[in-house]
Amino acid sequence: QKEVEQDPGPLSVPEGAIVSLNCTYSNSAFQYFMWYRQYSRKGPELLMYTYSSGNKEDGRFTAQVDKSSKYISLFIRDSQPSDSATYLCAASNTGTASKLTFGTGTRLQVTL
Amino acid sequence: EAQVTQNPRYLITVTGKKLTVTCSQNMNHEYMSWYRQDPGLGLRQIYYSMNVEVTDKGDVPEGYKVSRKEKRNFPLILESPSPNQTSLYFCASSGQGKTEAFFGQGTRLTVV
Repeated sequence: QKEVEQDPGPLSVPEGAIVSLNCTYSNSAFQYFMWYRQYSRKGPELLMYTYSSGNKEDGRFTAQVDKSSKYISLFIRDSQPSDSATYLCAASNTGTASKLTFGTGTRLQVTL
Repeated sequence: EAQVTQNPRYLITVTGKKLTVTCSQNMNHEYMSWYRQDPGLGLRQIYYSMNVEVTDKGDVPEGYKVSRKEKRNFPLILESPSPNQTSLYFCASSGQGKTEAFFGQGTRLTVV
């Protein structure tokens, strides 16, 4: 069993929809949680970072972590075609990005 | 411009022929890592380095070597490549105490 599980999709939504992307994890030592976005033929880029449980909002994006259920979520409001990418959740038990455990990634397609 | 540069971007080689993928970062980061990305398996860490001359195994180190003789460079060496090392490889760097990893553009390796 992978330490971080993620539905690979693909997920297709119309422009303007609210998107919910989810991951579960099994390692209780994970304290730091991240969402990376990866466009086709590019390397991943950090989108959101959360420490422990709670919510974090940045524009149209909200990251949510529930440590009691080991659940990580990313919500995208008013989705745009430019949001079409693969979204990777990641977790770490250190405060650095030296050793990250990634989910498999969810491919999102936002259609006009 | 802050960046992680990998070379080459694409490589086709034959089984057993030694190869090196180079990685260089211009952000004076202490940490550098190599990941491989495979469908259904996501990003998995191969090796990481905390600083010059300090390296450690990640989750899938078999068949790979690394060295960190200079802070900015972290080459990945495949001494005797095999077809199961066909994959998309990413180099990443991050600063000490920082939670964001910066990824290169990726190297698509095919071993025939």
